Amino acid sequence: GQNIDQPTEMTATEGAIVQINCTYQTSGFNGLFWYQQHAGEAPTFLSYNVLDGLEEKGRFSSFLSRSKGYSYLLLKELQMKDSASYLCATLNSGNTGKLIFGQGTTLQVKP
Amino acid sequence: DGGITQSPKYLFRKEGQNVTLSCEQNLNHDAMYWYRQDPGQGLRLIYYSQIVNDFQKGDIAEGYSVSREKKESFPLTVTSAQKNPTAFYLCASSRPRDRVNTEAFFGQGTRLTVV
Repeated sequence: GQNIDQPTEMTATEGAIVQINCTYQTSGFNGLFWYQQHAGEAPTFLSYNVLDGLEEKGRFSSFLSRSKGYSYLLLKELQMKDSASYLCATLNSGNTGKLIFGQGTTLQVKP
Repeated sequence: DGGITQSPKYLFRKEGQNVTLSCEQNLNHDAMYWYRQDPGQGLRLIYYSQIVNDFQKGDIAEGYSVSREKKESFPLTVTSAQKNPTAFYLCASSRPRDRVNTEAFFGQGTRLTVV
């Protein structure tokens, strides 16, 4: 089966850096996604990691360690609009690959 | 423009009625997924399909049915057997891992309310 854990809530200050962690256990790992979801809206794609290491996209970076079953999303230069839920999801391998989500981390950015 | 489209955005259903939610994508993605999201909760997988004419149950398939007759379309029917259908329903599609730059995108969602 697949199991994903993220912190439920985090708070950070505008302009700061925040790291949102995600640990996972899955049978047949085939990549990890991060999404951003604002209240009442659909999730929007942020990143996909399948190899170990750091992927950087502007203010957002995502890191993966497959041996540790661990990923994090790093948000730099926080803005008020970054207040949202951040969802970690794993894709398992094979022809019946499932895309399974964690509960999400609600980030509140304060002035 | 390529994308994934869900319709309708809001849907009201009377108790005991079946209702079908539409999901269409023109991204040439092979895999499609249906999720349910309740207020303040994460996404729970209902059904998913990796290829045409094949689909698998997710974690909460009871009371739902799907079909995948075309690559572009993956409709979800919420049947009267679903005891608590009021929720936000999200459809997603993804490109297989063996392609460059694997991606997975969501439609804008359908908010279903039972009245």
